[in-house]
Amino acid sequence: DAKTTQPNSMESNEEEPVHLPCNHSTISGTDYIHWYRQLPSQGPEYVIHGLTSNVNNRMASLAIAEDRKSSTLILHRATLRDAAVYYCILRALYNTDKLIFGTGTRLQVFP
Amino acid sequence: NAGVTQTPKFQVLKTGQSMTLQCAQDMNHEYMSWYRQDPGMGLRLIHYSVGAGITDQGEVPNGYNVSRSTTEDFPLRLLSAAPSQTSVYFCASSPAGLAGDDEQYFGPGTRLTVT
Repeated sequence: DAKTTQPNSMESNEEEPVHLPCNHSTISGTDYIHWYRQLPSQGPEYVIHGLTSNVNNRMASLAIAEDRKSSTLILHRATLRDAAVYYCILRALYNTDKLIFGTGTRLQVFP
Repeated sequence: NAGVTQTPKFQVLKTGQSMTLQCAQDMNHEYMSWYRQDPGMGLRLIHYSVGAGITDQGEVPNGYNVSRSTTEDFPLRLLSAAPSQTSVYFCASSPAGLAGDDEQYFGPGTRLTVT
C-alpha cells in the first residue's frame, strides 16, 4: 500500500481555519484518499474521502492536488471539539482488507 | 441505529486467561474488522471478515481468533492472554463491496490490561 506523510502536530486558535497537509507521492490511480480523526479516548471517526476532485461535507473540505501527490484537509472554523489526531489514509479501490493508519497529526485548538 | 457496539469497555486479565471481546453492528454491513491501538501508535489490523462465514488475518493476528456466524456479530477471542496484548481494541464495520470508496464505522473500544 502507498504511504502517507503527515506532520506530527499542528496548532490552531478557535474559529480559525485549519489546513492539515498530507503527502502521498506514491499514490496509484485507483487509490482513494481518506481522512479519519480520533478524539481522545474514542474510536476513529470518518471525516471525508475523495479520488480526484475536491470534496466538501458538513465536517470538512478535502483539497486534492492536480497530480494527486498531496492533499489538504480543511476545517473551516476550528472548534475545541476538533482537537484530535487526524489520519490521512490511502485506500485502493479493490482493497477490502484494511485501513493503514500512520501516526497522524495531532491538532491542538486553543480558545 | 446503535451503530457499532463493543463490550466490555474495560477488562483486566491475568496472563494465560482467555476471553472474548464482543462486537456487534446493526447497519447490515458485510465487512467487519478488529484493530488494536497501542500508546502513541496508529491502529493495526488483527482480523477481518468480508461476510458471514468468511474471515482472514490482518497485520497482527497471532494470539487471536475470530469467527463470523452472523452478519451482525464479530467476536474476537484471546486464547491465552499475554502482557503484550495490553491495548485498546476497536471493532469497525463498513458496507460491502469495493472498499476504496466506502467509510468505516468504529466502535468505542475495549481497553484491555493483561497483568
